[in-house]
Amino acid sequence: DTAVSQTPKYLVTQMGNDKSIKCEQNLGHDTMYWYKQDSKKFLKIMFSYNNKELIINETVPNRFSPKSPDKAHLNLHINSLELGDSAVYFCASSQARTSGELFFGEGSRLTVL
Amino acid sequence: DAKTTQPTSMDCAEGRAANLPCNHSTISGNEYVYWYRQIHSQGPQYIIHGLKNNETNEMASLIITEDRKSSTLILPHATLRDTAVYYCIVRVVTGRRALTFGSGTRLQVQP
Repeated sequence: DTAVSQTPKYLVTQMGNDKSIKCEQNLGHDTMYWYKQDSKKFLKIMFSYNNKELIINETVPNRFSPKSPDKAHLNLHINSLELGDSAVYFCASSQARTSGELFFGEGSRLTVL
Repeated sequence: DAKTTQPTSMDCAEGRAANLPCNHSTISGNEYVYWYRQIHSQGPQYIIHGLKNNETNEMASLIITEDRKSSTLILPHATLRDTAVYYCIVRVVTGRRALTFGSGTRLQVQP
């Protein structure tokens, strides 16, 4: 059983489209995250939710909207996709918002053409 | 959170110990040292963390100097599967900010 699972693993789409990436964790953790890893391999935090409440919202375009229907799920919806959105998006979870031990998913590689 | 400095890359022979250094000279008394690694095309993986004392688990050992300004992650018997980017991260004990990843050290284990 995968602890943190993301779907889809690969996503290829055209500029201007809207797409979603889903994340689920079965660890019973309270906190979930979205990180973005660009072509230069830097990992940057985008959002964090704690018990369905948004607690971290870094400087990310409004086209990115996270949604947490329950504490085991954190989805990422991206509107009007741009070339620069091409990256690998990682979902992660931790037991609490103060925990530094994060469990990451395998990543979702988004390619915008 | 304190800034960390790591070498860009390192090589290690398979079966030998890999010693990955990290400098965190501005670390505060309430900051932990965390180590993660990212194997190619996979998500980052937690390895170990410590505050003052040396720590050991099934994956690695963490040696923190007495003044806490630097640390070393030790993989006792490196294998080819340990080839990865290793990240040293400093974070406040009760920190509410998400982990911030730097550029890390690319460890290449050679056969």
